[in-house]
Amino acid sequence: GAVVSQHPSRVICKSGTSVKIECRSLDFQATTMFWYRQFPKQSLMLMATSNEGSKATYEQGVEKDKFLINHASLTLSTLTVTSAHPEDSSFYICSAFRDTLNTEAFFGQGTRLTVV
Amino acid sequence: GDSVTQMEGPVTLSEEAFLTINCTYTATGYPSLFWYVQYPGEGLQLLLKATKADDKGSNKGFEATYRKETTSFHLEKGSVQVSDSAVYFCALSPNQAGTALIFGKGTTLSVSS
Repeated sequence: GAVVSQHPSRVICKSGTSVKIECRSLDFQATTMFWYRQFPKQSLMLMATSNEGSKATYEQGVEKDKFLINHASLTLSTLTVTSAHPEDSSFYICSAFRDTLNTEAFFGQGTRLTVV
Repeated sequence: GDSVTQMEGPVTLSEEAFLTINCTYTATGYPSLFWYVQYPGEGLQLLLKATKADDKGSNKGFEATYRKETTSFHLEKGSVQVSDSAVYFCALSPNQAGTALIFGKGTTLSVSS
């Protein structure tokens, strides 16, 4: 089946540094990818919709300058957490639909970010 | 807007017990419905799906039927195992290109032997 690969699975960084998370669709092309954030014991919160070749669409309350999204190719989207702070520590998950009818979404393995 | 309401957890069961996790939705169009499962520290895995009314999704002993008349997609399993312990998410896709899934809040299931 379709696979979405996310890397790294875990990262620890110091406050003030930036971290890049990659999301790749391995066996299909994804013009649109989605980035979610999940707090402990809570549901997934959509952060932004990443569109290949154009600017990402951010959900209300998500700082676009802090969470930089780049979707440079049909198989890769990146999320960069800039000037990270401890409150940015969370579980980040990407997903993509394999088909244009949005009948099934595939998710990356998630990235556990810890900012110290 | 479209939304998903999922029963609050946690749900604690003994092995071989019957499981039901309720999920209802509101949608303006004709959505597809999904159940995803998340094991600790991992991403989401699709458990089952249904794309139109009266469809029944099934996988690994889990079932859910798309009920348009009650706008529901309840997850059931006749006999749970310890390995079923996880967080279960009900989700909806509005079936519009470029539109993200809408998730319920998730239900934690703990099964003891």
